[in-house]
Amino acid sequence: GNSVTQMEGPVTLSEEAFLTINCTYTATGYPSLFWYVQYPGEGLQLLLKATKADDKGSNKGFEATYRKETTSFHLEKGSVQVSDSAVYFCALSDLQGGSNYKLTFGKGTLLTVNP
Amino acid sequence: NAGVTQTPKFRILKIGQSMTLQCTQDMNHNYMYWYRQDPGMGLKLIYYSVGAGITDKGEVPNGYNVSRSTTEDFPLRLELAAPSQTSVYFCASIPGGTPIPYEQYFGPGTRLTVT
Repeated sequence: GNSVTQMEGPVTLSEEAFLTINCTYTATGYPSLFWYVQYPGEGLQLLLKATKADDKGSNKGFEATYRKETTSFHLEKGSVQVSDSAVYFCALSDLQGGSNYKLTFGKGTLLTVNP
Repeated sequence: NAGVTQTPKFRILKIGQSMTLQCTQDMNHNYMYWYRQDPGMGLKLIYYSVGAGITDKGEVPNGYNVSRSTTEDFPLRLELAAPSQTSVYFCASIPGGTPIPYEQYFGPGTRLTVT
């Protein structure tokens, strides 16, 4: 079956530090990959996505590259802000498996950015 | 456009009580989902629906029921609440219709405690 493994948290950084949150996956077909963000007290919202190998998703200064050879989709940001404090979820949607409308989520990584 | 709305925001139930979590979307989306989020465990799919009158089980359906009589509404029913159902519940939706990995739109969540 499909699975997503992401870096255990919590992660605590100072403002302007570099962020990496690791995510690896297993899938039976050709997945699309996503990063969702959950701010305190809110639902999840899409941060970025990539639909095929070597695609780079980017949004709000965050980036992630779909690496098929290492089955990874690591999230990076060059300079984090206090407002980036949130829980980040890596997820996949597997087209080949006939479940392209279902997402498999990682456990989430809590990021806290201190001023 | 309100997006995906959920009621109530918070609820405390006694063991054995029943309740219905409401979910409504105004985007004319075909696909709707119910997830539960437990601390450190990511999101688990409870039930989903591909259209009015069609529902199917996700990973963790036991103890829950759903119905989909309209495109807009997808209520989740807990018949005999148990402490193991203490969680945050999220409803989500996507347009569906073609094999494209759509962004899932999430509601703000319902925090349920069973004591």
